[in-house]
Amino acid sequence: NAGVTQTPKFQVLKTGQSMTLQCAQDMNHNSMYWYRQDPGMGLRLIYYSASEGTTDKGEVPNGYNVSRLNKREFSLRLESAAPSQTSVYFCASSEVGAGGEQYFGPGTRLTVT
Amino acid sequence: GQQLNQSPQSMFIQEGEDVSMNCTSSSIFNTWLWYKQDPGEGPVLLIALYKAGELTSNGRLTAQFGITRKDSFLNISASIPSDVGIYFCAGPPAGSYQLTFGKGTKLSVIP
Repeated sequence: NAGVTQTPKFQVLKTGQSMTLQCAQDMNHNSMYWYRQDPGMGLRLIYYSASEGTTDKGEVPNGYNVSRLNKREFSLRLESAAPSQTSVYFCASSEVGAGGEQYFGPGTRLTVT
Repeated sequence: GQQLNQSPQSMFIQEGEDVSMNCTSSSIFNTWLWYKQDPGEGPVLLIALYKAGELTSNGRLTAQFGITRKDSFLNISASIPSDVGIYFCAGPPAGSYQLTFGKGTKLSVIP
């Protein structure tokens, strides 16, 4: 089992460009999440999907959109990238009712210039 | 929003020493989770705690769920160089499955 996979691993964008971060999990989990991690800020929830067909905003959703493509895949889109979106992005998944245990991917390091 | 206070923020220890770190919340948590993040990697779940007073071990790591349900502790015994990384506490506040994360304790081990 690969667990949670993310692509790409690194990305550099110019201000105003768009891109989609991809995430897939093979653990048959119902819930998936997108976080960003900035120095000194810990992990902050951007969006989550409690189950296939649903998505909800987290703590810092502005400037992002998500798509829960199917049970396995959850993508994060930046429509018009800004330097403030320079961060490391993590996808995670969990089984609903599993006490909150989330399993993380390796991350995407995004720089917006 | 919910806040978890994790301390210390960073620590430097000699190889072989024991380490202790803790996490406190302003409200009750039903589950406490401890993660470790290696440089350039995603967080990895180390220990999950489900009951107040619970003490759980994973090798040299021991974590406890505080009896007030507002705190948790992680101890690492006989530290080794590969213990280097950032340790995060996390938990879903009562009634939620969304995790709130502490800001992490950065551990450095001096050989």
